[in-house]
This record gives sequence, C-alpha cells and structure tokens, in this order.
Amino acid sequence: EAGVVQSPRYKIIEKKQPVAFWCNPISGHNTLYWYLQNLGQGPELLIRYENEEAVDDSQLPKDRFSAERLKGVDSTLKIQPAELGDSAVYLCASSRDRDTDTQYFGPGTRLTVL
Amino acid sequence: AQSVTQLGSHVSVSEGALVLLRCNYSSSVPPYLFWYVQYPNQGLQLLLKYTTGATLVKGINGFEAEFKKSETSFHLTKPSAHMSDAAEYFCAVSADSSYKLIFGSGTRLLVRP
Repeated sequence: EAGVVQSPRYKIIEKKQPVAFWCNPISGHNTLYWYLQNLGQGPELLIRYENEEAVDDSQLPKDRFSAERLKGVDSTLKIQPAELGDSAVYLCASSRDRDTDTQYFGPGTRLTVL
Repeated sequence: AQSVTQLGSHVSVSEGALVLLRCNYSSSVPPYLFWYVQYPNQGLQLLLKYTTGATLVKGINGFEAEFKKSETSFHLTKPSAHMSDAAEYFCAVSADSSYKLIFGSGTRLLVRP
C-alpha cells in the first residue's frame, strides 16, 4: 500500500511570491489533515477535511492561506503571498475516517522563504 | 483544552542502555495517546498508541509505553538502545470528538556508540 505522497519535497521562494503544496492521501482514506511544523516544534493542525468538506480550519490563517480537496481525494494547500515566517515544513496526513485514530503522515514539504 | 509536555528536548544514551522519554498530558476527558518518531527529512511514523484497555502498550522497534492516569503520564521506553533509534520523538494526545492531535515539542534522542 502506497503511503501519503507529497510534492514538492523542497521549495525555495522569495517573500510575497505564491506557493502551492500537493498531497495525495492513502487510497481509501476519507480524512485528510494539513499540519505546520516549525523547526524544533511538534506539528500543529492547519485544516482537516472529511471527504471534500473542511470540517476544522480554525487554525488556518485565512488571509493568506487556502486549501482545497475538490474530489475528496488529493488536496492542495496554497500560500499567497508568502512571508518570511512561513518557512517551515508542511505535513499532510490521512486516516481512514475520523473515528480511526491512526493518522499516517507524508514526508512533508520544506518551505524556505527568502 | 488538551496539552502535552515532553520533558527534555534532548536525551542522550549509550548504545545498549535503557531509553526513557517522558511525556505528560493534560486532558479533561479520557485521552487517546500516541508516540510518533521522525527521522531526518521524513514524515512522522506511528510507534504506538493507547486508546482503551491495557495500559501497557507495545509498539514497533521494541518500544513500549505505559498509560498512568494518576500521573497523567505516557512515558516511552526501550530496554536497549540501538544506533538506529536516533531520531526525534513526539508524544501526542487526542481527546475530543475532532480527533485532532495535539503534539508535544519533541525529544531528540541521541545514541552514543
């Protein structure tokens, strides 16, 4: 079974530029999560999807961040415009459904904003 | 609200020695507890989890953890450290209907030859 796939693995951009991250969850997993992991910290949830519905986006900075999961499978997280403080690792995770507690994580996208 | 405290941002042990990584949680309802490991430039991998039932939980790679409600702890142990155990370890709690994971700040395990 393939794991959670994320791309790109690394991204370097200049501030004020837009950037997008893509995630393909494990096949059959209905719940998808985006986490932000700052250096030396644990991941923090940005948004959670159940199928195509965003059911928890309270931690997503909506002035510059957006996300979508149009067909309830893969998902895209976007930042526009990026700021220096957005430099971090963006992790995607999936679980079969929200009642199945195990979340499986992808390798993450390391973003550097110059 | 739930929270997790991991005591010690860095723990160093000799190869073959006991590994003990500490985790304390705060939760107003019975928690689900997790330990994840993260190797450099990789995502998080589940080591073990506690939901209900037996309080001593065995995981992969010889790790185990014990849920102690009276101490609000979920410490991770391994009897004998291997060099390959060097990584970052995260404790997490999930304790409400959203199943959102709240992570600690992590403990970096160093294994000396």
